[in-house]
Amino acid sequence: AQSVSQHNHHVILSEAASLELGCNYSYGGTVNLFWYVQYPGQHLQLLLKYFSGDPLVKGIKGFEAEFIKSKFSFNLRKPSVQWSDTAEYFCAVSAGGTSYGKLTFGQGTILTVHP
Amino acid sequence: DTAVSQTPKYLVTQMGNDKSIKCEQNLGHDTMYWYKQDSKKFLKIMFSYNNKELIINETVPNRFSPKSPDKAHLNLHINSLELGDSAVYFCASSQFIGTQETQYFGPGTRLLVL
Repeated sequence: AQSVSQHNHHVILSEAASLELGCNYSYGGTVNLFWYVQYPGQHLQLLLKYFSGDPLVKGIKGFEAEFIKSKFSFNLRKPSVQWSDTAEYFCAVSAGGTSYGKLTFGQGTILTVHP
Repeated sequence: DTAVSQTPKYLVTQMGNDKSIKCEQNLGHDTMYWYKQDSKKFLKIMFSYNNKELIINETVPNRFSPKSPDKAHLNLHINSLELGDSAVYFCASSQFIGTQETQYFGPGTRLLVL
């Protein structure tokens, strides 16, 4: 069974600081990788996804993530955060090559950005 | 033009009651899901339906019964509600293209059992 681990429970940054949120997964086969964001009181929104090809994927709102297969990692980055990025971020994995997806989520990382 | 919608948004009820949550998607997707987000924000899959057929059932008490009248709807009925059922329930839908699928989530239903 796959599992996902997000290293940081709560990250606090000032505006314009750079962000990197760690995500590691355990699964031996092909994976589909996702980052979702949940703003306070709102539903999950897709930030970016990786299926195959270029391991550096760009998402919405200036976010990007890099898939490093040898490290089983899919870390989320943003060069300069804004106050509006305050939210909870979830890394998720599904097993590629299967007919029906089952997303396994990490525990989430709360990002607080101070103005 | 909401893609995945859920009703109700909030649900407050007493222990022992039976309640239903409805989900509808207008994306034309074949697959729908129910997830539970607990008080620690941990998200876990409960059920998945593909073309009205149950394909994932993750060790959920049988007090929870999903029903899919058609592929655009996936409802969740909960019998004999317990305090531990308090959570946010998210519906999602997706469409597979080959082995690739992206799940789109609804706004969630906040259930509080008193």
